[in-house]
Amino acid sequence: DAGVIQSPRHEVTEMGQEVTLRCKPISGHDYLFWYRQTMMRGLELLIYFNNNVPIDDSGMPEDRFSAKMPNASFSTLKIQPSEPRDSAVYFCASSLSRPDHEQYFGPGTRLTVT
Amino acid sequence: RKEVEQDPGPFNVPEGATVAFNCTYSNSASQSFFWYRQDCRKEPKLLMSVYSSGNEDGRFTAQLNRASQYISLLIRDSKLSDSATYLCVVNTAGSGAGSYQLTFGKGTKLSVIP
Repeated sequence: DAGVIQSPRHEVTEMGQEVTLRCKPISGHDYLFWYRQTMMRGLELLIYFNNNVPIDDSGMPEDRFSAKMPNASFSTLKIQPSEPRDSAVYFCASSLSRPDHEQYFGPGTRLTVT
Repeated sequence: RKEVEQDPGPFNVPEGATVAFNCTYSNSASQSFFWYRQDCRKEPKLLMSVYSSGNEDGRFTAQLNRASQYISLLIRDSKLSDSATYLCVVNTAGSGAGSYQLTFGKGTKLSVIP
């Protein structure tokens, strides 16, 4: 079975550019999560969706970040404009029945903003 | 106080050794507890859930002490393949009513040496 799929795996962009990260959750999972991981702050929850509806976006850093889930099999996280401090690994995860039960992570997108 | 705290390590142990990690959490209302494993430059993966009565999975034993609000992970007969970062994970209430999420510790790095 396919796990959580993310693209691109690596992204290098210049400050000020728009960045779009993509995620396909495991089929049948009701919850989708976006996390950011850095050495300093560890793994932080940015936003999560239940049945395509955003439930908690309190972790989204600022208005430069936005996330959408137009259907059950696709989500995007957009950063516009990007800044060097956005450099991190962004993970997408999904879970079956509850947001606080086992989550399955994608391989992550390593973002570098120069 | 941080929601989930772990000793970052690194723990450098010889093959065959027994090693233990502890983790403390701040929210006494937390009900779900997990240990995740993250290999270098990979995504986190569930290692085991932690139950109130304690539980064992092969060489791994997890325990929960609700009174003191800490969780432990014991690894017996360490293998080279156990080298990874171990993340302590606790469920916490989110910002919305009825919203729950997983909060990840920053992890404890283990290196098993030949």
